[in-house]
Amino acid sequence: AQKITQTQPGMFVQEKEAVTLDCTYDTSDPSYGLFWYKQPSSGEMIFLIYQGSYDQQNATEGRYSLNFQKARKSANLVISASQLGDSAMYFCAMREGPGANSKLTFGKGITLSVRP
Amino acid sequence: DGGITQSPKYLFRKEGQNVTLSCEQNLNHDAMYWYRQDPGQGLRLIYYSQIVNDFQKGDIAEGYSVSREKKESFPLTVTSAQKNPTAFYLCASTPARGTEAFFGQGTRLTVV
Repeated sequence: AQKITQTQPGMFVQEKEAVTLDCTYDTSDPSYGLFWYKQPSSGEMIFLIYQGSYDQQNATEGRYSLNFQKARKSANLVISASQLGDSAMYFCAMREGPGANSKLTFGKGITLSVRP
Repeated sequence: DGGITQSPKYLFRKEGQNVTLSCEQNLNHDAMYWYRQDPGQGLRLIYYSQIVNDFQKGDIAEGYSVSREKKESFPLTVTSAQKNPTAFYLCASTPARGTEAFFGQGTRLTVV
């Protein structure tokens, strides 16, 4: 079974509007962390936001916020006031457990295109 | 400045040759990871290591090998057994209880 599921094939949003990128995850570990990364065409991975499984509040970083619904195992990324520079591929990732075998698993990604 | 350095940025390999991709970090991170990314696809985990002299296979370890002799270094060897090695390879590191994974700039490997 996939650990991280990103099913949206591609998203389009008008400049200055908000957009939600979906991510669901699967784990039986009570301790985990969820990440979102942006990958522009240059290939670099840019960290956007992190949510810990025990965090009581949804994470926010500037225009990025994470809609964390633990019972539904979803961690959707919300980008407010989209900019042309937001056009990129976006990846959701999960790190399970604090132990020696903890690993970081990524979803397949979602392509976001911002229209002027 | 602290960070992760991958080298080279571009690498060409002849079929049947082994090649080693370098990954060095000066962040004093415990965990290091290697990922493979094919065009338009997500990141697939090849190998990861939480401590020196120990590493685990990821989801697509066949045809690859790694070593972790020093905390700062986690080189990846793409062996001739890897049937389709042309891809973009990314190295990452995290602290033991980190809330962020730091990535290198990637190495684009092409088999010619």
